[in-house]
Amino acid sequence: AQSVSQHNHHVILSEAASLELGCNYSYGGTVNLFWYVQYPGQHLQLLLKYFSGDPLVKGIKGFEAEFIKSKFSFNLRKPSVQWSDTAEYFCAVNAGGFKTIFGAGTRLFVKA
Amino acid sequence: EPEVTQTPSHQVTQMGQEVILRCVPISNHLYFYWYRQILGQKVEFLVSFYNNEISEKSEIFDDQFSVERPDGSNFTLKIRSTKLEDSAMYFCASRAPDRIPGGYTFGSGTRLTVV
Repeated sequence: AQSVSQHNHHVILSEAASLELGCNYSYGGTVNLFWYVQYPGQHLQLLLKYFSGDPLVKGIKGFEAEFIKSKFSFNLRKPSVQWSDTAEYFCAVNAGGFKTIFGAGTRLFVKA
Repeated sequence: EPEVTQTPSHQVTQMGQEVILRCVPISNHLYFYWYRQILGQKVEFLVSFYNNEISEKSEIFDDQFSVERPDGSNFTLKIRSTKLEDSAMYFCASRAPDRIPGGYTFGSGTRLTVV
């Protein structure tokens, strides 16, 4: 069965610090990979996605993620976080079917 | 930008009562989903709906749950006899036919509290 692991449940950073959130998935075949963000009190929004091509994908608000197939990883990065990046971040994987599996989420708090 | 609309935003119900959560997906989307998020836990897949039928469902989606697209615009989730453990945030999502599987637009959710 597919699963998604996010290594950090809570991350606290100061503004301007660099961010990397880990995500690993278990599935041997072709996958579509996603990062979703949930700002406080808001709904899930798609941050970025990978389905083929360049393994380094760029999303909104300066976020990027790198797909490393050999490591089954899709880590999210941002060189310099802002206070407004405070949110919960979910990694998700879809193996081409109807069901998308989400990780448990990482709560990011950015100190101003 | 088009949105997925969910109503109500909050619902409190007594255990054993039926609830219907409503969603209006984006008009040209063809794939519809319900997910839920119990407080502090992960987002869980409930069901997907395509071509007027359930395409996939999780083990959470038992006989107490049903979905319907009664009029071509609304997409509803019904829980027949609510239990305390059904308390969660329920998210509706939809996907356009040209979007890759998993690339959803989510609604803002309905917070269901069963007392």
